[in-house]
Amino acid sequence: ILNVEQSPQSLHVQEGDSTNFTCSFPSSNFYALHWYRWETAKSPEALFVMTLNGDEKKKGRISATLNTKEGYSYLYIKGSQPEDSATYLCASMNTGFQKLVFGTGTRLLVSP
Amino acid sequence: GAGVSQSPSNKVTEKGKDVELRCDPISGHTALYWYRQRLGQGLEFLIYFQGNSAPDKSGLPSDRFSAERTGESVSTLTIQRTQQEDSAVYLCASSFLIAGGTDTQYFGPGTRLTVL
Repeated sequence: ILNVEQSPQSLHVQEGDSTNFTCSFPSSNFYALHWYRWETAKSPEALFVMTLNGDEKKKGRISATLNTKEGYSYLYIKGSQPEDSATYLCASMNTGFQKLVFGTGTRLLVSP
Repeated sequence: GAGVSQSPSNKVTEKGKDVELRCDPISGHTALYWYRQRLGQGLEFLIYFQGNSAPDKSGLPSDRFSAERTGESVSTLTIQRTQQEDSAVYLCASSFLIAGGTDTQYFGPGTRLTVL
């Protein structure tokens, strides 16, 4: 069974700060890595799906990188805004366990 | 529809009662998933349906949990004889097709279940 870990558990930054957090996953038999943003009282929203080692994806001020050999992904937010406040979830899938396994998330709070 | 919908949004029940949670996936999505998130834990896979294939029930925590899906439409998750440890947010998601895990899953808003 996959064990997906995220750090830090929570983060409080000021508006305008750039920040990043980590998702660690087993590198063996890796297949795909998903990032989601979950705002309070809303549905989790997909950010990225990444499959290739060295992948880098960007959506506005948010970007993510993937290292499948060492089993980690970074999510970066440039110039954080209060509307970025949410829990950021990553989920991994490997070829032997055809389901997404989620981490517990990083809760981000951006203060104005 | 515009997105995945779930009902009810909140459910409070007494220990030992049965509950039924509903999910309406996005029209045309062949895959449907149920997850739950208990306090302080990650999203936990429960079950998924894909088209007419037999569902993958490997994540269901006990035989008190069951789920059905009618064709490629509505799904119902039933919890019998609820226990306090069943308290969680139950999320449903759908995707167009399971293409090796690269399909985006679209989530509903969840049902918050509280078992007293």
